Amino acid sequence: KAGVTQTPRYLIKTRGQQVTLSCSPISGHRSVSWYQQTPGQGLQFLFEYFSETQRNKGNFPGRFSGRQFSNSRSEMNVSTLELGDSALYLCASRVLGAVTDTQYFGPGTRLTVL
Amino acid sequence: AQSVTQLDSQVPVFEEAPVELRCNYSSSVSVYLFWYVQYPNQGLQLLLKYLSGSTLVESINGFEAEFNKSQTSFHLRKPSVHISDTAEYFCAVSGGTGGGNKLTFGTGTQLKVEL
Repeated sequence: KAGVTQTPRYLIKTRGQQVTLSCSPISGHRSVSWYQQTPGQGLQFLFEYFSETQRNKGNFPGRFSGRQFSNSRSEMNVSTLELGDSALYLCASRVLGAVTDTQYFGPGTRLTVL
Repeated sequence: AQSVTQLDSQVPVFEEAPVELRCNYSSSVSVYLFWYVQYPNQGLQLLLKYLSGSTLVESINGFEAEFNKSQTSFHLRKPSVHISDTAEYFCAVSGGTGGGNKLTFGTGTQLKVEL
């Protein structure tokens, strides 16, 4: 099976712009989670989607949003970009989203905000 | 809220030497514990996990971790490291009070294996 894929892999934006990142989960996986990784804050949970519904949300401002499509693919959007949004954004998928399900991570999208 | 502490930010070790990466978690209820590894410019790969049962869990590449409930620890060990083990290692927890089914990560330990 193909792994989790994320596009694009690298992105450069300027402050104030908005950005959309895409994640395709492993075939058959219905849960998709998003994490932000920065040197200062480490790995932080953004949100999780299951069957097109947001099931869980981390402590991020409303500028961060996401959605999931019927084929389980997910997108996350960040509006009004700030310098501090520069990070590696990781997507992870799992079969049903149960707490014991293994999360499989994609390679990430590295976002640089200038 | 639950949390994970990885006390060592960097661990240098010579090839073929043993290594231990420490992980402590805080939770008063049952949790599930994971170790992930991240190689440069890559995502996270699951190394091993503890869900229940035997407190000693092993990975296919020689790593093992022991769940110790009384000490709330889940240290990662390898008896003999290889240069290819150089990477960043993250301990994570899910479940527990306020944790739900998301992963809460530690700050990571950079393992550097030297010749």
